[in-house]
Amino acid sequence: GAGVSQSPSNKVTEKGKDVELRCDPISGHTALYWYRQSLGQGLEFLIYFQGNSAPDKSGLPSDRFSAERTGGSVSTLTIQRTQQEDSAVYLCASSLMQVTEAFFGQGTRLTVV
Amino acid sequence: GESVGLHLPTLSVQEGDNSIINCAYSNSASDYFIWYKQESGKGPQFIIDIRSNMDKRQGQRVTVLLNKTVKHLSLQIAATQPGDSAVYFCAEKGGNMLTFGGGTRLMVKP
Repeated sequence: GAGVSQSPSNKVTEKGKDVELRCDPISGHTALYWYRQSLGQGLEFLIYFQGNSAPDKSGLPSDRFSAERTGGSVSTLTIQRTQQEDSAVYLCASSLMQVTEAFFGQGTRLTVV
Repeated sequence: GESVGLHLPTLSVQEGDNSIINCAYSNSASDYFIWYKQESGKGPQFIIDIRSNMDKRQGQRVTVLLNKTVKHLSLQIAATQPGDSAVYFCAEKGGNMLTFGGGTRLMVKP
């Protein structure tokens, strides 16, 4: 597709379950970001991937959160043992290394019940 | 009922008026700045950007001003339209990190 694609668009899960959120960046984009946005709030940085470099994980809120990026393309954000405070919209963005504008997907709305 | 985002600063303008949305950034080493628009239920959408070697950049109906001395960024929207109603975020980039400000909700009154 032409833009950043995220799936699922909505996810409802029970407290304590693990969830996986997927991001397909724009083809050729070497940089990939994950952000979290709570209802009506700003964007909280989670993790950043750039090419083959080690990811910047400084924004991950706890060790229950992890992310991978396979083959420099698709990324998966995993949240283990979900808690109610994990409920938010998780946004993915990608950009070309030499062009710094980041394009966002529509997000995954996660609800932990 | 209660609307979402009440804790976001809100700017209310009359249709046809000009809007000015302000943002203070934190990192004096940031060299690239972006304004994003986010409509309800959607991801942020790029509006305009500016590099630190510039102090003004104009787009279609939008202008971004950068004051590095006081680390201030503003977005001016000319002849504001109902379709401009959204939350606007500024973002700064220094090195790898793209850091977002808290956002301002723009409401356009017909």
